[in-house]
Order: sequence, then C-alpha cells, then structure tokens
Amino acid sequence: NAGVMQNPRHLVRRRGQEARLRCSPMKGHSHVYWYRQLPEEGLKFMVYLQKENIIDESGMPKERFSAEFPKEGPSILRIQQVVRGDSAAYFCASSPELTDTQYFGPGTRLTVL
Amino acid sequence: KNEVEQSPQNLTAQEGEFITINCSYSVGISALHWLQQHPGGGIVSLFMLSSGKKKHGRLIATINIQEKHSSLHITASHPRDSAVYICALGRGGADGLTFGKGTHLIIQP
Repeated sequence: NAGVMQNPRHLVRRRGQEARLRCSPMKGHSHVYWYRQLPEEGLKFMVYLQKENIIDESGMPKERFSAEFPKEGPSILRIQQVVRGDSAAYFCASSPELTDTQYFGPGTRLTVL
Repeated sequence: KNEVEQSPQNLTAQEGEFITINCSYSVGISALHWLQQHPGGGIVSLFMLSSGKKKHGRLIATINIQEKHSSLHITASHPRDSAVYICALGRGGADGLTFGKGTHLIIQP
C-alpha cells in the first residue's frame, strides 16, 4: 500500500503565476487535509476535504487559494497569482476516518521568485 | 496564549541519554499526536493518544488528560533520532490538527 503521494516535490513559480499542488491519499482514505509550513514557522491547517466536498476551509486565505478533491483523481491545492509570501512547504495528509491517525505526504516545496 | 506549548524548544544531548519532550495544551481535545519531522522535511506520525501511555520501540508517549499534558520519551537515544518533534492537537471535529512549534532535538555521537 503506497503512502500519501504529493507532486511535484519542488515547484518554482514567478510572481503572478499559478501553482497547482497534487495529493493522492493512501488507498482507502477518503479524508484529506492540507497544511502549510512557512519558513521558520510551525505547521498550520489550511483545509479539510472529503470526496467532492470541502468540509472545513477555515485555515485557507480568503483570496487566491482553492482546493478540491474530485470523485476521481487526486486532491488539488491551487494558488492563483502567487506572491513571494506563498513560498512554503505544503503538506497533505490523509486518514481513513475523521478521528484516525493522519498519514503525511512528503510535501511540496513551493518557491516563488 | 498559544493553545499548545512545547518544551524545550531546542535540546542537544549525547548518544544514549534518556530524552523527554513536553507538551502542554489549554483546550479540549479528542486526541494528541506526536509527529517527527526529519531534516529533509518529511513528517512521520509517531503516536496518537487519547489516554494513558503508548510504546513503540524506544519511543514512549504519555498523556494526562486532567492536567492537559503529554510527554514524549526516547530511551537510549541515537544520532538518527535527531529531528524536530511536534505535538499536535486533534479536536475530533471537522478541523485539522493544531500544531506546537516543535522541539529541535540533536543527538551527538
């Protein structure tokens, strides 16, 4: 059983471009969480999704950020018109049930030039 | 005040020493998680606790729900244990984890 997969592992974008980060949860996991780790800061919750539904996006910036978890395919975190402050490591985690251990992916390191 | 506080922030010890990392929190939780983040950045979930004590190899995690406190212990520490150890709170609802700032542990040979 493969672990949580994230791609790309490293992503470089120029200011104003779009960034798309992908997360494939572990097989059988229907709960996906996205977290952001800014340089020299701790992890912060962004959004929690189940298949085709956003359950809680209270940690997402109000503008430019969106997330989806379609019926088929990976979960996508999309950042439009990136700015330098978006440079961070973005981690995805999945769990089979809401209160279970979360399994983390390797992260995507976004650098905005 | 942060909902979750870890101590110490940094810890350097010699190989073989017994290590204790503490986590205190101020809110109701459904579970407390201990995570390990290696220098390469990957995150591994070590324990999820709602009561009592759990042991896995040289790692032991305890939690006291009444005192809102948890500890992570490492016995016979080894340089490969060098990492950031993060305490995280699960609320049992639809929100994600709330993380402590982490403890940077260095085990010197």
